[in-house]
Amino acid sequence: GQNIDQPTEMTATEGAIVQINCTYQTSGFNGLFWYQQHAGEAPTFLSYNVLDGLEEKGRFSSFLSRSKGYSYLLLKELQMKDSASYLCAVRGDDYKLSFGAGTTVTVRA
Amino acid sequence: IAGITQAPTSQILAAGRRMTLRCTQDMRHNAMYWYRQDLGLGLRLIHYSNTAGTTGKGEVPDGYSVSRANTDDFPLTLASAVPSQTSVYFCASSDGLAGYNEQFFGPGTRLTVL
Repeated sequence: GQNIDQPTEMTATEGAIVQINCTYQTSGFNGLFWYQQHAGEAPTFLSYNVLDGLEEKGRFSSFLSRSKGYSYLLLKELQMKDSASYLCAVRGDDYKLSFGAGTTVTVRA
Repeated sequence: IAGITQAPTSQILAAGRRMTLRCTQDMRHNAMYWYRQDLGLGLRLIHYSNTAGTTGKGEVPDGYSVSRANTDDFPLTLASAVPSQTSVYFCASSDGLAGYNEQFFGPGTRLTVL
């Protein structure tokens, strides 16, 4: 089976940095995705990692360590609009995505 | 506007009734998926289709069926709805299965079974 763990909730102040960790134990590995989901809306793609290291896209960065089964999503210069759920998803050897339960980030003024 | 549409947006259904959730994409993606999202459980795969004419079972397929007659449409049918099928249902599609092929999600259908 697939096991993907991420914290349930995090709170941070506008302008600050927040790091959302994701650990996984899956049947095979063919990439890790991060999605953002605002309340009542569909998930939208943020980042993709398949090799170890850091991928940077503007204020958002994602890191992967395959040997440790670990990833994090880093959100810098937090804005109020970043308040949302962040979903970690791993693509296994069957090429299907398994999702974590999501981390709800609340940005306070 | 390219993307995925789902219908209905929301539905309240009596237990035992049959219901079909519709999903249409205009991106000519080969693969399509149906997920349910429940509080605290995240997104769980119900059924998928890697290409038109083929379907497969996901993590939680019981009580659901799908068909993929063409590239664009991927309906999900609940043959006899039960209260445990109360959930938000998302349809998704991707151009391919591997590499940098992220899944695009539809707006969701909120289903309540009473």
